[in-house]
Amino acid sequence: DAGVTQSPTHLIKTRGQHVTLRCSPISGHKSVSWYQQVLGQGPQFIFQYYEKEERGRGNFPDRFSARQFPNYSSELNVNALLLGDSALYLCASSPWTRSGNTIYFGEGSWLTVV
Amino acid sequence: SQQGEEDPQALSIQEGENATMNCSYKTSINNLQWYRQNSGRGLVHLILIRSNEREKHSGRLRVTLDTSKKSSSLLITASRAADTASYFCATDSWADGLTFGKGTHLIIQP
Repeated sequence: DAGVTQSPTHLIKTRGQHVTLRCSPISGHKSVSWYQQVLGQGPQFIFQYYEKEERGRGNFPDRFSARQFPNYSSELNVNALLLGDSALYLCASSPWTRSGNTIYFGEGSWLTVV
Repeated sequence: SQQGEEDPQALSIQEGENATMNCSYKTSINNLQWYRQNSGRGLVHLILIRSNEREKHSGRLRVTLDTSKKSSSLLITASRAADTASYFCATDSWADGLTFGKGTHLIIQP
């Protein structure tokens, strides 16, 4: 079975632009979460979606938004990109939203903002 | 904010030796998960230990959890060059998402 898949794997954007990152969860998983990992740090929680509804949000500005589709795939959108948004963006999936599940991560999307 | 703090930040050992990494956290948790990350790659799940468990094993990995001290340890026995990676603990409370520490960078010298 395929794991969590993310696209694109690498991208370069200019300050002020917009970016959309995509994620497909493991088959049968209904919960998708997004994390940002800046170089040298651990991942930080951005959003969690379950059954197409936002179930949790981390401490990120409103420039960050996400959505989940009926097939449980998800998009993370970042507007008005800043240099500080350069990071590895990780998508994770789990069967449902309740705490206690093993959470599986994809390979991530490397975003460089210049 | 980051709840988990791994210790040490970096660890270099000879192949075949055992590696021990520690994690401390601040608030009560539902469970704690350990992940491995090779340079520039995604996170690979290693072990989940629940708050009512004290020890779990998986192959060469042994994880302990002491909720009274709010700490966990990951032991890798008989280390191999392929174990070179960063290791993160992530706490799962009743809040949103996993909370990660900064990780331990493990280097296995051949």
